[in-house]
Amino acid sequence: AQTVTQSQPEMSVQEAETVTLSCTYDTSENNYYLFWYKQPPSRQMILVIRQEAYKQQNATENRFSVNFQKAAKSFSLKISDSQLGDTAMYFCAFMKPSGNQFYFGTGTSLTVIP
Amino acid sequence: GAVVSQHPSWVICKSGTSVKIECRSLDFQATTMFWYRQFPKQSLMLMATSNEGSKATYEQGVEKDKFLINHASLTLSTLTVTSAHPEDSSFYICSAVPGRLLYNEQFFGPGTRLTVL
Repeated sequence: AQTVTQSQPEMSVQEAETVTLSCTYDTSENNYYLFWYKQPPSRQMILVIRQEAYKQQNATENRFSVNFQKAAKSFSLKISDSQLGDTAMYFCAFMKPSGNQFYFGTGTSLTVIP
Repeated sequence: GAVVSQHPSWVICKSGTSVKIECRSLDFQATTMFWYRQFPKQSLMLMATSNEGSKATYEQGVEKDKFLINHASLTLSTLTVTSAHPEDSSFYICSAVPGRLLYNEQFFGPGTRLTVL
């Protein structure tokens, strides 16, 4: 079974600063997908960024980027120039290509301080 | 595109009654939908995988007779909580995967908050 671990239950960052959220996972699969989802107070799950395991290049989406270390099974999210709207729960997720089933981490509650 | 809706967004019911929650993919066909349960300040827990035209696959520990799932069409899956009790109060989220081919993303509905009195 796949497990996803987020070791930081809560984090805070000053507005305009940079913050990194950690995620590790355990799998015997070689091909898979990794995601970061944001869940604001509205509870709507919003995709932040996605990484395919077979791609060595780290994914980036504007202010969001990942540090994907396949050998270490690590997938951290860096948020640059943090904004108040970034305040939310952030979930790391693992997906095997077969079955499309997601495995979510326990989440990190991020607060951006003005 | 890729919008998923849920109805109702919140519901309050009496203990012992049944509640149906609908999950619809609005602009795509979804052969697979997932149902999750989320308690306050916790992660999403997968309850079941719903495939169009076949029986749902339930995760270990989820009572299939209590949480009835029907995926009758390519755009609609329903979750019925039968004989609801206060411990069933939770936030229920569905997600959908487009098409019949393998796809590397799920699209999530906005969730349904269930309160059982």
